[in-house]
Amino acid sequence: RKEVEQDPGPFNVPEGATVAFNCTYSNSASQSFFWYRQDCRKEPKLLMSVYSSGNEDGRFTAQLNRASQYISLLIRDSKLSDSATYLCVVYSFGGYNKLIFGAGTRLAVHP
Amino acid sequence: SQTIHQWPATLVQPVGSPLSLECTVEGTSNPNLYWYRQAAGRGLQLLFYSVGIGQISSEVPQNLSASRPQDRQFILSSKKLLLSDSGFYLCAWGEGAGANVLTFGAGSRLTVL
Repeated sequence: RKEVEQDPGPFNVPEGATVAFNCTYSNSASQSFFWYRQDCRKEPKLLMSVYSSGNEDGRFTAQLNRASQYISLLIRDSKLSDSATYLCVVYSFGGYNKLIFGAGTRLAVHP
Repeated sequence: SQTIHQWPATLVQPVGSPLSLECTVEGTSNPNLYWYRQAAGRGLQLLFYSVGIGQISSEVPQNLSASRPQDRQFILSSKKLLLSDSGFYLCAWGEGAGANVLTFGAGSRLTVL
């Protein structure tokens, strides 16, 4: 089992739609969680951290479920500019390989 | 503000040739620095991690090596490239508690022929 698993997609949605991605992780001792956004052939950029109580940043909402070991990202009112690959990242303290990246979920928003 | 520079952006190299990718960080001191590789359709794989000058940790055995000759300089090298070394190489600087929030350079896309 991969340490961090994501549905690769693609998720094809129309503008204005609401879309949600899930990510599961295997290490129950994981401590911090993030979503990164990666545009085609570009570097990943931090989208948002994921807090235990859930958090929102504009149209983006992130949730953490420690019991089931998954995190989610909800995008409301999708824009064309949201088209990208969304990477789930899990941090576990100890050792130097602390950050584990998922392979990403691709989102394509169409007019 | 902190910035991270990485070069070259793109390179095509023959099998067996050497490699040198460079990464520099500005606006911070004693940063935690990382080299990642991203193969097509796969997650980022950590290659090397450095907490300071001359301090390199390697995650997986491979055909690559890293060096940190200066506080804000991180170099990825190979003496002889393999076809399997092709990929998108990303340097990153870590900040925050545990240096777990990464800022990436623009990446170096390597094709080995």
